[in-house]
Amino acid sequence: SQQGEEDPQALSIQEGENATMNCSYKTSINNLQWYRQNSGRGLVHLILIRSNEREKHSGRLRVTLDTSKKSSSLLITASRAADTASYFCATVPGTYKYIFGTGTRLKVLA
Amino acid sequence: DTAVSQTPKYLVTQMGNDKSIKCEQNLGHDTMYWYKQDSKKFLKIMFSYNNKELIINETVPNRFSPKSPDKAHLNLHINSLELGDSAVYFCASSQDTASGGEQYFGPGTRLTVT
Repeated sequence: SQQGEEDPQALSIQEGENATMNCSYKTSINNLQWYRQNSGRGLVHLILIRSNEREKHSGRLRVTLDTSKKSSSLLITASRAADTASYFCATVPGTYKYIFGTGTRLKVLA
Repeated sequence: DTAVSQTPKYLVTQMGNDKSIKCEQNLGHDTMYWYKQDSKKFLKIMFSYNNKELIINETVPNRFSPKSPDKAHLNLHINSLELGDSAVYFCASSQDTASGGEQYFGPGTRLTVT
């Protein structure tokens, strides 16, 4: 299967704590993207990191990419209840094709 | 203004029926996609269209037929529906970039086949 793997599958933390989720993939990539999905909604793009980049920041989000290990991590700092959602990584091995990971369900407790 | 819209939001139908899902994007993007998300939340690409031309068909049964009348629309027609077709179907769009740009997703259509 080409499906990427994310871990943990589920994560429960207290508001204010940091949340880290990991993504591993199998093929070489052009870029890797992270998306958020709130319950019953469509996915929302969070951040894109290119294959020649190692780290990227956007607000409270920090993404790292290690192409030698074919892995990426998403760190959400100072989490809020509104961050409760499922988070997916998507790898782009070539034009027009996106391979999504299995997702991490994050629950932030107020 | 909704960027990517889908209709209907919910679809309940019986096995053997034929149904369609419509998708429209007002972002001016060149590329549109259909995804299927199963009950375990696995999201799998089904089709990719660029400038109305089919680019990717991910071994989807030929009961599924996408149609793109123009760049802003990508519809999905499903013949002879089966129980296993029950899922949430997402339409998405992106700008045509060689490296794969960010995707914008519609709200999804929850299809239930009984």
